[in-house]
Amino acid sequence: NAGVTQTPKFQVLKTGQSMTLQCAQDMNHEYMSWYRQDPGMGLRLIHYSVGAGITDQGEVPNGYNVSRSTTEDFPLRLLSAAPSQTSVYFCASSYGSFANTGELFFGEGSRLTVL
Amino acid sequence: QKEVEQDPGPLSVPEGAIVSLNCTYSNSAFQYFMWYRQYSRKGPELLMYTYSSGNKEDGRFTAQVDKSSKYISLFIRDSQPSDSATYLCAMGRGGASGTYKYIFGTGTRLKVLA
Repeated sequence: NAGVTQTPKFQVLKTGQSMTLQCAQDMNHEYMSWYRQDPGMGLRLIHYSVGAGITDQGEVPNGYNVSRSTTEDFPLRLLSAAPSQTSVYFCASSYGSFANTGELFFGEGSRLTVL
Repeated sequence: QKEVEQDPGPLSVPEGAIVSLNCTYSNSAFQYFMWYRQYSRKGPELLMYTYSSGNKEDGRFTAQVDKSSKYISLFIRDSQPSDSATYLCAMGRGGASGTYKYIFGTGTRLKVLA
C-alpha cells in the first residue's frame, strides 16, 4: 500500500516554463487536494477535488490548473512558472468525510524552484 | 485577519518537559480540530483529531478545544527528542455539495534537547 505518491520530488524550472506535478493515491479516496507550503505561510490550499470530474479552487489557485479524470490521479499543472511559485507542494487525500477521523494523508512533497 | 493563528516558535525545551502548543481561530463555523506533526522534509501526519470542546488524550499527547474562546491546544508530556518536529494545527468545516475546507496554522517548530 503506497498511500499518496508524488513525482517528481525535486524540480528546477526557468521562468515561463510549464510543468505538471503528478499525484496518485491507492486508497480509493474521493477527496484530493494540492497545498503549497512556504516559510511563515503554512499550508495553503491551491485546488481540490471531491471526486472524478469535480474540481474547485482553494485559497491560492492563480497560475495553476487541475483535472480529475480518475479517482486515483490528481495532477497539478503550472501554466507559466514564476519565481513566486517556488515552494514545496503537497498532495493530500482523504475519505472525504469528517465522519471518519478527518485525516488528510499527505505525500512526501515536491520541491519546486523557479529561476 | 488570518482565520487560524499559530505561534511559529521555534520552541526549545529540555527532554522530559511538558510542551504546550496553541492556536486561535476566528471562524466559528469550524467543527473539526486537528494537530499534524511534520518531520523535516516529510509530509504532515495526523497526530490528534477532535470535534468537540474538552480534552482528548492519546498517550503522552492531549488535545484541548475551547470553542467558546476559539482556542485549541496540544500538550506533550514527558517530551522526547523524537518529538522534535513542526506541529501544525488545522481546522475543518464541511460545506454544501460535498465540499470540505481545511485551514492550517503556520506551524510551530519544536526542538526537544537531550
